[in-house]
Amino acid sequence: QVQLQESGPGLVKPSGTLSLTCAVSGGSISSINWWSWVRQAPGKGLEWIGEIHYSGHTNPNPSLKSRITLSVDKSKNQFSLTMTSVTAADTAVYYCARGAFSYFYGMDVWGQGTTVTVSS
Amino acid sequence: DIQMTQSPSSLSASVGDRVTITCRASQKIGRYLNWYQQRPGKAPNLLICGASTLQSGVPSRFSGSGSGTDFTLTITGLQPEDFATYFCQHTFSTPRTFGQGTNLEI
Repeated sequence: QVQLQESGPGLVKPSGTLSLTCAVSGGSISSINWWSWVRQAPGKGLEWIGEIHYSGHTNPNPSLKSRITLSVDKSKNQFSLTMTSVTAADTAVYYCARGAFSYFYGMDVWGQGTTVTVSS
Repeated sequence: DIQMTQSPSSLSASVGDRVTITCRASQKIGRYLNWYQQRPGKAPNLLICGASTLQSGVPSRFSGSGSGTDFTLTITGLQPEDFATYFCQHTFSTPRTFGQGTNLEI
């Protein structure tokens, strides 16, 4: 079955750039599903960051749109998140997930999450 | 943006109890409402999609209902492993907002 694995630096300096990649295994990224990013600040709820289709179409969260870039690499079967001008408020566990067309775009497959800390 | 209001934020219950969590959307979303369970330190797990469709492997004690703006998640006969945090999420449009979460504790 499809599995997702996030990777990227665990520590980013304030005003720096956060870059994460999600590798898709057990299935093709070139499907009708959406590939999403969700984050969770310590002790807080879930925040939807945005999603990308294998065609390259993206839907970023308007609250983050000016700072994020979503991209997909079909040859490597992975997708990525880049966030600029990070602050301590961006410290969170970042998850990648699949928004499944068959399930009303519910996120049926998740990565294990990667912790990103913004600190000097 | 569609806002999701989930209640209660926390809930105390006992094994065997029946509990209900509600989620209200700020505008009609049809049945584009999903429920997740999250245990500490783990990724969320999709329980119910389309307001009432149980995901494969999810026990039948979980059920969902509603359409339009008002939705409920019901757990009948709580088991020890059900004590976790539950989130609703709409997928009617973007941004696909989550509710604030309900911490279900013993």
